[in-house]
Amino acid sequence: GAVVSQHPSWVICKSGTSVKIECRSLDFQATTMFWYRQFPKQSLMLMATSNEGSKATYEQGVEKDKFLINHASLTLSTLTVTSAHPEDSSFYICSAPTSVSYNEQFFGPGTRLTVL
Amino acid sequence: EDKVVQSPLSLVVHEGDTVTLNCSYEVTNFRSLLWYKQEKKAPTFLFMLTSSGIEKKSGRLSSILDKKELSSILNITATQTGDSAIYLCAGAPSGTYKYIFGTGTRLKVLA
Repeated sequence: GAVVSQHPSWVICKSGTSVKIECRSLDFQATTMFWYRQFPKQSLMLMATSNEGSKATYEQGVEKDKFLINHASLTLSTLTVTSAHPEDSSFYICSAPTSVSYNEQFFGPGTRLTVL
Repeated sequence: EDKVVQSPLSLVVHEGDTVTLNCSYEVTNFRSLLWYKQEKKAPTFLFMLTSSGIEKKSGRLSSILDKKELSSILNITATQTGDSAIYLCAGAPSGTYKYIFGTGTRLKVLA
C-alpha cells in the first residue's frame, strides 16, 4: 500500500512556541491531504483539508490562524500549531488518498504533541 | 448532520472468544464504509464496504454492510491478545475524500 510519513513522531514544547508537523506522501502524489486530531480515548476528528496550491479548508470550530496549513507540493503538507498551549496537546495524524484508490486513505504514523 | 456511531464503546474478552463490533451511520450521499484498526499509532486499513450483503474476510476478521439498516458489523473470531486495539469505522460520502469517523470501540483481549 501507499506510504505516508510524518515528522516528528513526537514533540514536547513550551507554551507559547510554535510547532511544525510535516506530512509526506512517499510513493505517490497527493493533491489533497487531511489533518486529524485525536485526544486520548477519543476518535479521530477532522481538522482541515489541505489542498495543494490553494488554501486549506477548515472544519467548523478549528481556528485557521492557530493551525496553519501549507500544502506546497504534491508530496508535502505542513501543519503549524502557533502559540501552542497545553490544551493543544494531542495526537495529530495526517492522511492522503491516492489517485489509484481514491476511496481509501492512507494514514501517517501520527505526531504526539505535548505542550508544557 | 452526518454521523457515525459505534457500539460498544469498549469491550473486554478472553482469548478465543468471538466478538462483534457494530457501526451505524447517517451519511449524506453515502459511498462506502471503512473499518480501521488502531493500536498505538495511526489507523491501519481493514476493510472497505460498498455493496450491501457481501461479506469481506481477512483471516479471522470479517465484515458486512447492511445499507437498508445503515449499519455494518465487524466480526473477530478466535480472538488473540494481538487483536487488542481501537477499532474505528468511517463513512465515506461520494464526491469527497472526507471521512466521518465513529467514536471507536476499544477492544481488550485477555490472555
